[in-house]
Amino acid sequence: NAGVMQNPRHLVRRRGQEARLRCSPMKGHSHVYWYRQLPEEGLKFMVYLQKENIIDESGMPKERFSAEFPKEGPSILRIQQVVRGDSAAYFCASSPGDSLAYGYTFGSGTRLTVV
Amino acid sequence: SQQGEEDPQALSIQEGENATMNCSYKTSINNLQWYRQNSGRGLVHLILIRSNEREKHSGRLRVTLDTSKKSSSLLITASRAADTASYFCATAFSGGSNYKLTFGKGTLLTVNP
Repeated sequence: NAGVMQNPRHLVRRRGQEARLRCSPMKGHSHVYWYRQLPEEGLKFMVYLQKENIIDESGMPKERFSAEFPKEGPSILRIQQVVRGDSAAYFCASSPGDSLAYGYTFGSGTRLTVV
Repeated sequence: SQQGEEDPQALSIQEGENATMNCSYKTSINNLQWYRQNSGRGLVHLILIRSNEREKHSGRLRVTLDTSKKSSSLLITASRAADTASYFCATAFSGGSNYKLTFGKGTLLTVNP
């Protein structure tokens, strides 16, 4: 079991470009969560997805950010027209279901740098 | 907010000593989890303690939970240099959005060989 796979590990984008971050959950996990970590901060919840459904996107900025988890393939976090303030580490976590019983398995993250 | 807050922000000890980190939170929780993050890496889940539990052990880790004080502690016994990392507590709401973890800012633990 390869765990939660995120790519790329590092991503550099110029202001105004688009960033696409990918997350493949652990085998058998159907729930995906995206978190953002700003420097010197803890992780902040962004969005919770199940296959083909956004369950909770209350932590997502209203503009420029979107997420999907298609029937086939990885979950994608998309940031359009990136700005310097988007520079952060973005982590994906997955769980097999009820998070009450399990801790999350996190990926190694994508570190986005906007120049 | 329900943000967990770790204390201290940084802790430096010698190998073999015990390390204790504390976490406080503000509202009712379903469970509290501790994670470790090595520099530049992802988070590793260490231990989950439910709101009806008071103490839990896993290897060299001991976690306590006091829901009346809304606080938890993580004890690492006989520390090793490899334990050097940031440690985060995360709380899950007792209400509907219990999948949503709220993280503190972490405690940076340095274990000197």
